[in-house]
Parts: sequence; C-alpha cells; structure tokens
Amino acid sequence: KQEVTQIPAALSVPEGENLVLNCSFTDSAIYNLQWFRQDPGKGLTSLLLIQSSQREQTSGRLNASLDKSSGRSTLYIAASQPGDSATYLCAVSQGSGYALNFGKGTSLLVTP
Amino acid sequence: EAGVVQSPRYKIIEKKQPVAFWCNPISGHNTLYWYRQNLGQGPELLIRYENEEAVDDSQLPKDRFSAERLKGVDSTLKIQPAELGDSAVYLCASSKGGDGYTFGSGTRLTVV
Repeated sequence: KQEVTQIPAALSVPEGENLVLNCSFTDSAIYNLQWFRQDPGKGLTSLLLIQSSQREQTSGRLNASLDKSSGRSTLYIAASQPGDSATYLCAVSQGSGYALNFGKGTSLLVTP
Repeated sequence: EAGVVQSPRYKIIEKKQPVAFWCNPISGHNTLYWYRQNLGQGPELLIRYENEEAVDDSQLPKDRFSAERLKGVDSTLKIQPAELGDSAVYLCASSKGGDGYTFGSGTRLTVV
C-alpha cells in the first residue's frame, strides 16, 4: 500500500524567505504526483502536476521536483508572502484516473 | 468553465439521521471520486466512478454509506444512519484521462 509522508508537519517563516516542503512515497511506481493547496474550510486547489516521466514543473514562484527512483518530491516556494499561508498537500496516483494517495500535509504560516 | 460543484457546503445533523451530498463534476470528466477528509489528515478515497460504474468502492463502509452516479454525470453520496465518527469534510473530485484532478469545495458534515 502506497504511503505518502510530508515533512515538516508545520512551518512558520517570515515574509520574503524561500522555503522547501518535502514529500516522500514508498512505492516508486507512480503515474503522477500533484501538489495541492488547501485554505482553512476550503477545498483543494491544484498547484502543480508532475507526470512520472517529468523531473520538475514550475508555476510562478512555485517549483516542484520529482525523483521517482528515490520516492521524493519537493515543493519550492520563492519569496514567500503572507497570502501563501495554507496547508500544502502532496498526492500520488498509481495509474491514469486512479485515486490519489495523500500525505497529511504541511501547514505553512508566513508572517509579515 | 464551471468547476466541480458540491452542495450543501455545511450540514449539521443528529446521529442516526440520514444525510446526502451532491456533486456535479466538470463537463466531460468521466472519472468521479468521493473522498473523506478528517481534521488534520489528507483526504482518503471512498469511491471512484468511471462513467456510471463504481470501479473502486473498497473503502466505502457499505453498511451505512451508499453512492450513485446516474447517467455518468452527477453523483450523490448518502449516509444512513449517521454516526458521530462520520463528522468530516466530504470532497468530490473529477478527472479526464489522468490529466489532473479538480476538487470541489467540499461539504463539512457535523454529526451531533
């Protein structure tokens, strides 16, 4: 059974810092990996989707990398802002259309 | 393009009462998922539909939970009777051919 772990569970940084969120998974035979953002009381917003054949994806200040063989992904957030405060979830899929296996998330607080 | 629409947004019921949640996926998305998210946890799959067929319901507590997806579009998830431990956020998501997953805003259920 695929297990997804996210470290750290919580993180507090001052505005302007660059930061890295980590995600690891036990079964490297994944189809894709997706990073989501969840604001309190809200649903999930997709940030980046990395197919298993890809190494990284970028969107604005966000960059996600994937090392499938070692079962790791990182989400890099550059020049953090208070509006980035949210919970960030990592999820992997074992096949096209298959359900996602989620980590427990990293709760990020960016202070002004 | 409208996203995944869920209703209601919030529901408070007494234990042993029935409750139903509704989901309208993105047009053209053949795969529909119901997830349950407990506080401080990542979402966990309850059931996955390919068109109108339930292809993965192994995590659905079938003694009290039921779901249907009529005509392969909208879906309803029902709990009868509800228990205190069913308090959670119920999320609906849809996808097309593994091109990424889009989530609705969720229904927050409180059983008292």
